[in-house]
Amino acid sequence: EDKVVQSPLSLVVHEGDTVTLNCSYEVTNFRSLLWYKQEKKAPTFLFMLTSSGIEKKSGRLSSILDKKELFSILNITATQTGDSAIYLCAVEALRLTGGGNKLTFGTGTQLKVEL
Amino acid sequence: GAVVSQHPSRVICKSGTSVKIECRSLDFQATTMFWYRQFPKQSLMLMATSNEGSKATYEQGVEKDKFLINHASLTLSTLTVTSAHPEDSSFYICSARDIQAPDRGYTFGSGTRLTVV
Repeated sequence: EDKVVQSPLSLVVHEGDTVTLNCSYEVTNFRSLLWYKQEKKAPTFLFMLTSSGIEKKSGRLSSILDKKELFSILNITATQTGDSAIYLCAVEALRLTGGGNKLTFGTGTQLKVEL
Repeated sequence: GAVVSQHPSRVICKSGTSVKIECRSLDFQATTMFWYRQFPKQSLMLMATSNEGSKATYEQGVEKDKFLINHASLTLSTLTVTSAHPEDSSFYICSARDIQAPDRGYTFGSGTRLTVV
C-alpha cells in the first residue's frame, strides 16, 4: 500500500521566519510528487516534482525531491500570515490495476504564521 | 486555465435521501476525474476514479452501490451519495487533470460539504 508521511503535523512560527516542511513516501511505480496549499476549501497547486535534485521555485516557496531517499521538502522563506494553511504532499503513482494514475496524500502540515 | 467547478458547495439532507454532486472541467476535457473524501483535520482519501464512457474504479472499502459515479461527458462527472446517513457527512472534493498541461498537476474543485441529519 502506498504511503505518504508528512512532518511536522503542525507548526507555529512568527512572520519572517523560514520553515521547512517534510514529506517522505513509499510507493510503487512512482510518477511524481506534488505539493498543495489548502486554506478553507480546495487545495491549490504549488509544485510538481519528477526529477531528483532539481529545485522548483515560486516566489518565497521552493521545493526539491530526492528519489533515492524518497522524500521531498517544501521551504517557505520570510513567512507571512497569508502563508497560514495546511500544506499537503501527494505522490502520483501508476495504478497497478484499473489503469491510469492515482494520488496518495499525506496527512498534511498545519502551518500557522503569527505576527 | 484548468478550472474545475464543483456544485453544490454545501448541502444538508435528511437521512435516507440521495444527494448528487457535480464536478465540471470548465476549460479542458477530462477523460478521468477523481473523487475524494476529507474528514475534519484529516487528509484527502481517494474514493474512486471516474472514467468517461466506462465504469468507475473504486478504492478498497468504498461501496459502489452507495457512491454512484457517472462520467457521461468529457467535462462532467457526478457523484451520488445514495440513502445518505449521518456517517456520510463529510467534505467531498473532485479533481481532474488537463493532459495538455501536465506540469500544472491536478486541479481541484472547491468541494462539497455534506451534512446528513
